[in-house]
Amino acid sequence: QKEVEQNSGPLSVPEGAIASLNCTYSDRGSQSFFWYRQYSGKSPELIMSIYSNGDKEDGRFTAQLNKASQYVSLLIRDSQPSDSATYLCALSGGSYIPTFGRGTSLIVHP
Amino acid sequence: GAGVSQSPSNKVTEKGKDVELRCDPISGHTALYWYRQSLGQGLEFLIYFQGNSAPDKSGLPSDRFSAERTGGSVSTLTIQRTQQEDSAVYLCASSPMGRDYGYTFGSGTRLTVV
Repeated sequence: QKEVEQNSGPLSVPEGAIASLNCTYSDRGSQSFFWYRQYSGKSPELIMSIYSNGDKEDGRFTAQLNKASQYVSLLIRDSQPSDSATYLCALSGGSYIPTFGRGTSLIVHP
Repeated sequence: GAGVSQSPSNKVTEKGKDVELRCDPISGHTALYWYRQSLGQGLEFLIYFQGNSAPDKSGLPSDRFSAERTGGSVSTLTIQRTQQEDSAVYLCASSPMGRDYGYTFGSGTRLTVV
């Protein structure tokens, strides 16, 4: 049984700060890792994917993967109120069926 | 099409009725997934299609749920004899074959069983 754990939050940060979202997982066979953003009442939207240990940067977003410690994180720099959403961590192994965490609610206040 | 298309966007049905939900994936995407999301809950995997292979039905919650995919493209999720606990948003996602590029979701069908 694959487990993907996220703190449900809410995580509240001031505008302009760095938001740090974390995810731990149980299946060491996991190979692909994703972060999705879901606005209230909307469907999830892929924002980052990462496959190897280390950091991957895309604009204000940085995904970090540590397979030895079985965690993946998402950093959002210069957080904006428009970043307020639920962030879902997802991962998959050889079966290509992703398992999603329940998400962390992020609130960026002006 | 440009994205994953789902219809209807909203469906209200009476308990005991059958419903059909449709998903039209991104052209060329061979992998198609159905998930459901209950209010305030995470994404629950239902079924996975990959090309012409037999689908992985391991997430279907009961035999009232079934799905098919015709011609490797459009998929229909059918729920028979709907129950109130079936009320949720049903999400379809598609992905290219091969390496795990991530999944593009449709806008979902909100099903309400009254």
